[in-house]
Amino acid sequence: GQSLEQPSEVTAVEGAIVQINCTYQTSGFYGLSWYQQHDGGAPTFLSYNALDGLEETGRFSSFLSRSDSYGYLLLQELQMKDSASYFCAVLNRDDKIIFGKGTRLHILP
Amino acid sequence: DVKVTQSSRYLVKRTGEKVFLECVQDMDHENMFWYRQDPGLGLRLIYFSYDVKMKEKGDIPEGYSVSREKKERFSLILESASTNQTSMYLCASSFYRRGLGNTIYFGEGSWLTVV
Repeated sequence: GQSLEQPSEVTAVEGAIVQINCTYQTSGFYGLSWYQQHDGGAPTFLSYNALDGLEETGRFSSFLSRSDSYGYLLLQELQMKDSASYFCAVLNRDDKIIFGKGTRLHILP
Repeated sequence: DVKVTQSSRYLVKRTGEKVFLECVQDMDHENMFWYRQDPGLGLRLIYFSYDVKMKEKGDIPEGYSVSREKKERFSLILESASTNQTSMYLCASSFYRRGLGNTIYFGEGSWLTVV
């Protein structure tokens, strides 16, 4: 089978840094993606990692360790608008994209 | 901009009705997906299609079927709606780029209530 584990909720302070972890178990792994979803909206793509290491896109970075079946999303200089749910998603060899259950990020002023 | 359009934003159907959820994308994407999203369960894959007339079961296909007669259109069908199918349904599409990253673009979602 396949599964993804991520924390259900994380709380951080505005201006701080927060890390959202994701561990996965799957066959035919190709890459790990991250999506953001605001309340009432559709998920939107944030980042994708196929190789080990850190990918940086502005305030957001994503990391992958294939040997550990682990990745994380790092959000820096948190803003109130970053309050949302964040999903990790695995791309498999058969082109399936399987999502985790999501992490709700709460940001305190 | 990529646009994935779902035909209905909100629907209320009766138990036992046949329900069609339509999705159209305008980016010539090969792959199309149907997910349902429920609180605490995240997005669960129902079916996906990587080509016209092709379909693959996702994690929760029971009670659903799909149709892809044209590349841009992917329909989700509930043959006999049941109350446990009350949910938000998300359609998505992407290019076929296995191994190179697979950004998927979502529609705005269809909120289905079965009474």
